[in-house]
Amino acid sequence: QQQVKQSPQSLIVQKGGISIINCAYENTAFDYFPWYQQFPGKGPALLIAIRPDVSEKKEGRFTISFNKSAKQFSLHIMDSQPGDSATYFCAASSLGGSARQLTFGSGTQLTVLP
Amino acid sequence: GAGVSQTPSNKVTEKGKYVELRCDPISGHTALYWYRQSLGQGPEFLIYFQGTGAADDSGLPNDRFFAVRPEGSVSTLKIQRTERGDSAVYLCASSLNGQGNTEAFFGQGTRLTVV
Repeated sequence: QQQVKQSPQSLIVQKGGISIINCAYENTAFDYFPWYQQFPGKGPALLIAIRPDVSEKKEGRFTISFNKSAKQFSLHIMDSQPGDSATYFCAASSLGGSARQLTFGSGTQLTVLP
Repeated sequence: GAGVSQTPSNKVTEKGKYVELRCDPISGHTALYWYRQSLGQGPEFLIYFQGTGAADDSGLPNDRFFAVRPEGSVSTLKIQRTERGDSAVYLCASSLNGQGNTEAFFGQGTRLTVV
């Protein structure tokens, strides 16, 4: 059962453009929504995260938009750079039981052309 | 070390063999997670340790998979009678604790190939 659906699977953007990646979730118990960036041969690294009590969070060129009623959230990368080329994963978790394991989307491979 | 360390980086084994994958978490982190990442997919949760005990092993696919963390630091993921379908990157993550806003830091993973 895929609890977090991510799109698109791949994305090509020109340098300076805006990259937008979307995710939708099903489990209303999720209360933490991070985005991870992964380069080839490396583990995922936390980029930015949001909680459902806010609709938007911005850190530098990265912004998360969150729509609780639609159960959707998205990552916007402004002024995209070639160094942003990587695979991006949305994720979600809930503070259930004693663990906060992450449920990941299937990933978006972003390519930023110079 | 400064980050989560996983060894080996790559492991090739024959079908039916036993393998052990090691994870060295960030010092002081009590929570440790194992995830499995198949090609082109997001990581999938396997097991979570809080200290020495496995607090949640609901993600382990079957009884061929087992993990330990005897002293609350280093963890070993053990796979018996490996199958070709076990081929994946096995990721370890640690966090200060398993609650609240604590960030999970991932290692670079162990790429397991079963031939």
